[in-house]
Amino acid sequence: AQTVTQSQPEMSVQEAETVTLSCTYDTSESDYYLFWYKQPPSRQMILVIRQEAYKQQNATENRFSVNFQKAAKSFSLKISDSQLGDAAMYFCAYRRASGGSYIPTFGRGTSLIVHP
Amino acid sequence: EAQVTQNPRYLITVTGKKLTVTCSQNMNHEYMSWYRQDPGLGLRQIYYSMNVEVTDKGDVPEGYKVSRKEKRNFPLILESPSPNQTSLYFCASAGGVRDIQYFGAGTRLSVL
Repeated sequence: AQTVTQSQPEMSVQEAETVTLSCTYDTSESDYYLFWYKQPPSRQMILVIRQEAYKQQNATENRFSVNFQKAAKSFSLKISDSQLGDAAMYFCAYRRASGGSYIPTFGRGTSLIVHP
Repeated sequence: EAQVTQNPRYLITVTGKKLTVTCSQNMNHEYMSWYRQDPGLGLRQIYYSMNVEVTDKGDVPEGYKVSRKEKRNFPLILESPSPNQTSLYFCASAGGVRDIQYFGAGTRLSVL
């Protein structure tokens, strides 16, 4: 079974600074997807960024970017120019690309605090 | 507007009283799933469905039932709720195995 590990229960950053959230995963698959979701106090799950394992290029969405290291099975999220609205719980998730259960496996989450 | 709708958003009940949390999606998605979220544990899969009349257990299916009689609906049934099922529940849907998931707004359940 796939596992997703977020080793940082909580992180903090100053407004306008950069922060990196860590995620590692375990799989024997070669084709899969990785995700970062944001959950603000409203509890809504919001997709931040998605990475396809067969793409070597790191995904980027505005101030959010990932560092995908396939061999190391690492998938960290970098938030640049942090804003107060970035404060939320962040979840890393893994999903296989074919066969079996398609639904993602989530990590336990990292709570991001943004200081003004 | 494409959305996944869960009802109710909040529910307080007592041990043993059967309840159903509804989930409906308007995107003609084949894949639907249920998660529970508990502090420090992230989201854990309860059940999922890859098509009408096809359901499979996730990681924590005990105490739950689901049905998929039509494509748009995927209700979660707690036949005899217990306090350890107090949690935040999410329904999600996806159009295909390579599609992103769309989440409902969540249902906060308290079992006394």
